[in-house]
Amino acid sequence: GIQVEQSPPDLILQEGANSTLRCNFSDSVNNLQWFHQNPWGQLINLFYIPSGTKQNGRLSATTVATERYSLLYISSSQTTDSGVYFCAVKEGAQKLVFGQGTRLTINP
Amino acid sequence: SQTIHQWPATLVQPVGSPLSLECTVEGTSNPNLYWYRQAAGRGLQLLFYSVGIGQISSEVPQNLSASRPQDRQFILSSKKLLLSDSGFYLCAWGSRSNQPQHFGDGTRLSIL
Repeated sequence: GIQVEQSPPDLILQEGANSTLRCNFSDSVNNLQWFHQNPWGQLINLFYIPSGTKQNGRLSATTVATERYSLLYISSSQTTDSGVYFCAVKEGAQKLVFGQGTRLTINP
Repeated sequence: SQTIHQWPATLVQPVGSPLSLECTVEGTSNPNLYWYRQAAGRGLQLLFYSVGIGQISSEVPQNLSASRPQDRQFILSSKKLLLSDSGFYLCAWGSRSNQPQHFGDGTRLSIL
């Protein structure tokens, strides 16, 4: 099956810093999503981005499908950005395969 | 707009007891429905999915079962819970295979 690797596993930053999270996947995909899991466990959709670049406020994402990676950029970090960020890709018609996540801690 | 509801939010059950977790979706018809489990500190693993009423596909062998009695209702069950069934269970829906999946708020299940 498809392997999804995220890096770094942990990231600690000061408020206001920028960060880049990476997601590598082992096979071609036609569906890639980025999620933020907040401290209460809610899984929030950030981007549906099988290819190209999208931006939403301070967050942006780029997927280079031919090179099998995706990047999530967070600018001017806020403490509310803390949590775990997951990348997930579709295997077959239904199954989302998740990476192990990047735990982001933003200190005030 | 579409919404997804899961309940209960938290559940503590003794080993050997039965389980029923419910998920409902509003604002869409004939959704694909999914049950995922998240072990502590790890990513999510797909347990079951359904593309229609009464149609259930299982991804991993386990002590759990799923049912879809109505178009927008998905139920996760067990006859006898094991300690290893502890975890965070999330329901999700999607409209088509190449569209994003959207998740409920999850049920945190603790087995004692």
